[in-house]
Amino acid sequence: AQKVTQAQTEISVVEKEDVTLDCVYETRDTTYYLFWYKQPPSGELVFLIRRNSFDEQNEISGRYSWNFQKSTSSFNFTITASQVVDSAVYFCALSDDSMASNYQLIWGAGTKLIIKP
Amino acid sequence: EAQVTQNPRYLITVTGKKLTVTCSQNMNHEYMSWYRQDPGLGLRQIYYSMNVEVTDKGDVPEGYKVSRKEKRNFPLILESPSPNQTSLYFCASSPRGLAGPVYNEQFFGPGTRLTVL
Repeated sequence: AQKVTQAQTEISVVEKEDVTLDCVYETRDTTYYLFWYKQPPSGELVFLIRRNSFDEQNEISGRYSWNFQKSTSSFNFTITASQVVDSAVYFCALSDDSMASNYQLIWGAGTKLIIKP
Repeated sequence: EAQVTQNPRYLITVTGKKLTVTCSQNMNHEYMSWYRQDPGLGLRQIYYSMNVEVTDKGDVPEGYKVSRKEKRNFPLILESPSPNQTSLYFCASSPRGLAGPVYNEQFFGPGTRLTVL
């Protein structure tokens, strides 16, 4: 069965520190898709990134970077030089070929990130 | 502005009193879905629809109904709400599935916070 584990329930750091949010996934499919979403205190869900299983290149977008490692089934998210505005709950999610046909995502429990000034 | 709207945003009701949460999108998307978000559980899919008159159960459909009579609307119906349906509900839409070379992200509504007493 598919599963997404975000073991860190809550992380608190001081502004300007780097922080990594962990995501470990389980799937039997060889083709799958991984996502990160941000949920700020206002409650909406903001899409951050999608990665395909056949594309293991790491991605960088400004202060955000993602490390995809198939060998460890992980898709970790790093924020460099964190800012107070990064405070949010971050979700990792998975869809594989068996679920993609149903347009379904399996979500992790989320990691609450607190950035202190 | 392209968006997914939900109404109401907040609702407090009592056990057994039928309610409907509306969801509407103005992007002509084929796919729509309902999720509920509970602490420590992430988001779980309730129902989804791949087009007009086509709906199917997600992971947690018990106690909910949906309909898709028009492409833009996908209401969530609780015929007899119970306290365990107290949750944060999200509607989402997408022009196509999540897989494939051309990714189409899910657009989420702002959420509906439901409390059943």
